[in-house]
Amino acid sequence: NAGVTQTPKFQVLKTGQSMTLQCAQDMNHNSMYWYRQDPGMGLRLIYYSASEGTTDKGEVPNGYNVSRLNKREFSLRLESAAPSQTSVYFCASSEQGSRGTQYFGPGTRLLVL
Amino acid sequence: GENVEQHPSTLSVQEGDSAVIKCTYSDSASNYFPWYKQELGKGPQLIIDIRSNVGEKKDQRIAVTLNKTAKHFSLHITETQPEDSAVYFCAAPNRDDKIIFGKGTRLHILP
Repeated sequence: NAGVTQTPKFQVLKTGQSMTLQCAQDMNHNSMYWYRQDPGMGLRLIYYSASEGTTDKGEVPNGYNVSRLNKREFSLRLESAAPSQTSVYFCASSEQGSRGTQYFGPGTRLLVL
Repeated sequence: GENVEQHPSTLSVQEGDSAVIKCTYSDSASNYFPWYKQELGKGPQLIIDIRSNVGEKKDQRIAVTLNKTAKHFSLHITETQPEDSAVYFCAAPNRDDKIIFGKGTRLHILP
C-alpha cells in the first residue's frame, strides 16, 4: 500500500495563476482532509470530505476549492494564487473521521511569487 | 471558538532525560486525543492516542495522560534519544467533528 500520495511535491506559481493539488489514498478511507502548515501556526484545516460526494469548509477555506472525485481522490484547487497561499499543503485520510488516526501524505511545498 | 493550546513551543532536553509536552482543549465534547510526530520534510505520523474512557496509556518510552476535568492531556517521552528530535502536535476533535491541532512543539535532543 502506498498510503496517501500527493502531487506535485514542489510548485512555484506567479500571483494570479491557478493550479490543482492532487491527493489519493489506497486505504479505502471515507474521510479525507486538506491542511496547510505555516511556521508557528501548526496545521490548519482548509476543507474536508466526510465521505464520497460531500465536502465541508474547515478553518481557512477562503481562496480554495475542493473536489472529491471518488472515494480515493480529493483535490485542492487554487483559482487565483496569492502570496499568502505560500505554504506546505498536506492531504490526510481517516477511517473514523476526526475520532481516528489521520494518515498524512508527504506534502506539497507551494511558493507564490 | 474551540481551541487546542500546546506548550511549550520549543523544548530542549539532554539525551536520556525525559520530555513533557502539554495541551489544553476547550470543547468538553472532545473524546479522542492523538499525538503526532513530524520529522523534517515529512507529513505528521500518529505516535500515540488516548480516548476519554482512560486516564493514561503507555507504549514503550511514550505515554499520554488525560485529565478530562481539567481538560488537559500530556505527552511524556522517557529516556530520550536523538531520533526523538522532531515537531510534535496534539489534537482534539470538536463537536462539529473537525479535528483541531495544537501549534506544535519543536523538541531538540541535545547530545
